[in-house]
Amino acid sequence: AQSVAQPEDQVNVAEGNPLTVKCTYSVSGNPYLFWYVQYPNRGLQFLLKYITGDNLVKGSYGFEAEFNKSQTSFHLKKPSALVSDSALYFCAVRDSASGGYNKLIFGAGTRLAVHP
Amino acid sequence: DTAVSQTPKYLVTQMGNDKSIKCEQNLGHDTMYWYKQDSKKFLKIMFSYNNKELIINETVPNRFSPKSPDKAHLNLHINSLELGDSAVYFCASSQAGGQSYEQYFGPGTRLTVT
Repeated sequence: AQSVAQPEDQVNVAEGNPLTVKCTYSVSGNPYLFWYVQYPNRGLQFLLKYITGDNLVKGSYGFEAEFNKSQTSFHLKKPSALVSDSALYFCAVRDSASGGYNKLIFGAGTRLAVHP
Repeated sequence: DTAVSQTPKYLVTQMGNDKSIKCEQNLGHDTMYWYKQDSKKFLKIMFSYNNKELIINETVPNRFSPKSPDKAHLNLHINSLELGDSAVYFCASSQAGGQSYEQYFGPGTRLTVT
């Protein structure tokens, strides 16, 4: 079965320090991977995606993610965290059985807390 | 301009009632989705429509009935509401085919059943 795992319920980091939010996936075929962010009482906002090409993908708000096929991982990173980055982060993978449609399977989410 | 909008933002109702949530997108996408986010923030797809045709129908009670009058609108009607229906419901849209794949989400409708 296709799935996404976010092993950490919460990640705590000090402002200015680098942050990593982990994601591993299981999917048949080539993975299409996504990161979304959800601020309190808001909808999900698209951050970045990996479809093909360079393993390091850059996205919005200074975030980037590294695709690692051998480890089936797609970790989200940022060199210097801001307090305003505090939010809930979701990793998602496109269901390869969804044909031309974009059924996404989401991880359980990781809460990022950046402390001043 | 709001890309994906939902109404209402909050909905408080009693068990047994029937309610509807509306969604509209102005992104020109041809595919729309309904997701349910539970109290633990777990996000699960419920339905998807492509050009008014139902293409994804997950294991959802028959009390939930989506309707898409056109590709820019997707509504969700819920009959005989139950306590367990309390959640945040998100609408999303995307463009089928091409190379985009990402979905764009509305602000959510927080449904509270008492």
